[in-house]
Amino acid sequence: NAGVTQTPKFQVLKTGQSMTLQCAQDMNHNSMYWYRQDPGMGLRLIYYSASEGTTDKGEVPNGYNVSRLNKREFSLRLESAAPSQTSVYFCASRTQGRTGELFFGEGSRLTVL
Amino acid sequence: AQSVSQHNHHVILSEAASLELGCNYSYGGTVNLFWYVQYPGQHLQLLLKYFSGDPLVKGIKGFEAEFIKSKFSFNLRKPSVQWSDTAEYFCAVDGYNKLIFGAGTRLAVHP
Repeated sequence: NAGVTQTPKFQVLKTGQSMTLQCAQDMNHNSMYWYRQDPGMGLRLIYYSASEGTTDKGEVPNGYNVSRLNKREFSLRLESAAPSQTSVYFCASRTQGRTGELFFGEGSRLTVL
Repeated sequence: AQSVSQHNHHVILSEAASLELGCNYSYGGTVNLFWYVQYPGQHLQLLLKYFSGDPLVKGIKGFEAEFIKSKFSFNLRKPSVQWSDTAEYFCAVDGYNKLIFGAGTRLAVHP
């Protein structure tokens, strides 16, 4: 039982390049989330998907797009990477409902030069 | 819009000292509150959560938190910290099915 799996774990991009972070969960969870973690700023919500077929903006959605491909997978795309997007990205999932625990992936460290 | 404020960014304690980390939130509706911990090099793990009932919530590893609705607070406490509690602690509030985190408090416990 892998839980939440993110790929890649590390990536270096040049400004203007695009890339997609992949996330998959095998816990049959309805809700999935993408966060970025920056020193002194905690985790900030980029996008979330409350259920298959829906996506909503979080606190910092600019510069990102997401796709809820199916119940298991939720990808995050940077269309034109900027240095300000250098961060550690975490995918998370939980069962539907506001009391559920979030289960996190291991994180993806992205550097934009 | 919901928001979370954690008052202390860095806390340094000696082993056996008591711990209290402050958390205040802003949200107009029924609130669900969480504390997560991130040990060095690891991802976040749930310490405890509150969604209804007894406002004093007990979590793992001897941690507890008290929900005080009138103060919009959910402070984390531990009577006696250990070196292994060295980590970053995040308070979070759930509204509209999205979980918003505070900036975190980095705790260092010295032997």
